[in-house]
Amino acid sequence: GAGVSQSPSNKVTEKGKDVELRCDPISGHTALYWYRQSLGQGLEFLIYFQGNSAPDKSGLPSDRFSAERTGGSVSTLTIQRTQQEDSAVYLCASSLEDWTSGGPQNTGELFFGEGSRLTVL
Amino acid sequence: AQSVTQLGSHVSVSEGALVLLRCNYSSSVPPYLFWYVQYPNQGLQLLLKYTSAATLVKGINGFEAEFKKSETSFHLTKPSAHMSDAAEYFCAVGYSNYQLIWGAGTKLIIKP
Repeated sequence: GAGVSQSPSNKVTEKGKDVELRCDPISGHTALYWYRQSLGQGLEFLIYFQGNSAPDKSGLPSDRFSAERTGGSVSTLTIQRTQQEDSAVYLCASSLEDWTSGGPQNTGELFFGEGSRLTVL
Repeated sequence: AQSVTQLGSHVSVSEGALVLLRCNYSSSVPPYLFWYVQYPNQGLQLLLKYTSAATLVKGINGFEAEFKKSETSFHLTKPSAHMSDAAEYFCAVGYSNYQLIWGAGTKLIIKP
């Protein structure tokens, strides 16, 4: 498809297990974001990839969280030793924008996947 | 720290009534402003954006928003609500880099 694809759509795991969430962005989009959406909260920034630059990992909540993006395309968010507070919807978004000029050159639009709902029992 | 406030986690309007969803941001520096909509079981999609052109911005599905610098606001409106407008709406603000600041969202409920 032409949109951002995330898998799995739903994941139920036991506390202490590791999980991997996958994001396949729109082809050609250089920017990729991971956000966490908890009930009643806004989107919490986790990590940002832009082309071949070093990712901005400033939003990762703990060292149990990591992410990689292979070949500038598919990204995987890994949560080790999951805790109940990790339960949330994890959203991936991609974009053509790089904001290096201090603002969006085009629409600034982010294209979101449908999210991966993680439940930690 | 910069912030975005959306007044009301839930807003309920009757079908055909005016929709008004409020968004205020904390900085006096003119930002880039966005409204996104999330329909049930779908990803967020861009509804409209303000990027320093006209202060009244028209978006998809009959929505529009007005940037008011003096009030640091970017409220979303639609003259007549439809049942299909039931969704969650997010306001987001960007400044000089890619880290958008997001509001907590407002769930719009349409009463028949």
